[in-house]
Amino acid sequence: QVQLQESGPGLVKPSQTLSLTCTVSGGSISSRSDYWSWIRQPAGKGLEWIGRVHTSGSTNYNPSLKSRVIISLDTSKNQFSLKLSSVTAADTAVYYCTTISGGVWGQGTLVTVSS
Amino acid sequence: QSVVTQEPSVTVSPGGTVTLTCASSTGAVTRDYYPNWFQQIPGQAPRALIYSTDNKHSWTPARFSGSLLGGKAALTLSGVQPEDEAEYYCLLYFGGAGVFGGGTELTVL
Repeated sequence: QVQLQESGPGLVKPSQTLSLTCTVSGGSISSRSDYWSWIRQPAGKGLEWIGRVHTSGSTNYNPSLKSRVIISLDTSKNQFSLKLSSVTAADTAVYYCTTISGGVWGQGTLVTVSS
Repeated sequence: QSVVTQEPSVTVSPGGTVTLTCASSTGAVTRDYYPNWFQQIPGQAPRALIYSTDNKHSWTPARFSGSLLGGKAALTLSGVQPEDEAEYYCLLYFGGAGVFGGGTELTVL
C-alpha cells in the first residue's frame, strides 16, 4: 500500500513562495497511472482542492490559484511537489498530499504565513 | 468557478439510515464528475470512502454506499454507528479541476 508524507517549512513569510514535497513510499510514482494531488484546509474550515499532476506530467489547477501554483513530479526521488507563490495569511492552512482515486492521504502539514 | 453544495448538518439516530447529497451549480451530477466522498473526524486527515460515484476502497465499511440520486451525488449510510459522527465532504471534477463541497456535519444522536 502506497504511503504519502508531506514535508517542508512550517513558516513562510508573506509574499514568498511556499514549497512542499510529498514523498511516496511503498510503490513507484511512475509505475501507476494516477493523479497526485494537493489539498489544503484552513483551521476550522473545509477542504480546498489545489491541483494535481498526472503520472504523465500533465497538470490541472484550481482556477482561483492557477496563477500562483506549480505542481510537479520528480520520479527520480519518487516525490511530487507544490509551489505556491506570493503567499498571504489567507494561505495559512494544513496542506495534504493525496492520490484521490487511490484513497491515500498524507497526515498533513501545517503551513503558517506570517512575518 | 463551479460551486458544490452539501447539506450543512444532518442528524441521524443510531442504527438508522441517512443519505447525504452533493449538488453542482452547473446542473445534474453525472458519472463524468467522478464523485468522491470523504470522512473527516476533527483533528484527523480526511479518509477516503467512495471514488468515481460508487466504488468503495478496501477499507470502506459495507454500510457506506455511493450513488447518483435526483441529479446529485449521494452517500448513504445504512445502520449508522456512533463512530460515524464526523464531517463528510464530496468532491466533483469539472473539466479536470476538482471542487469540494462545503461539508456535511453528521451527528449521531
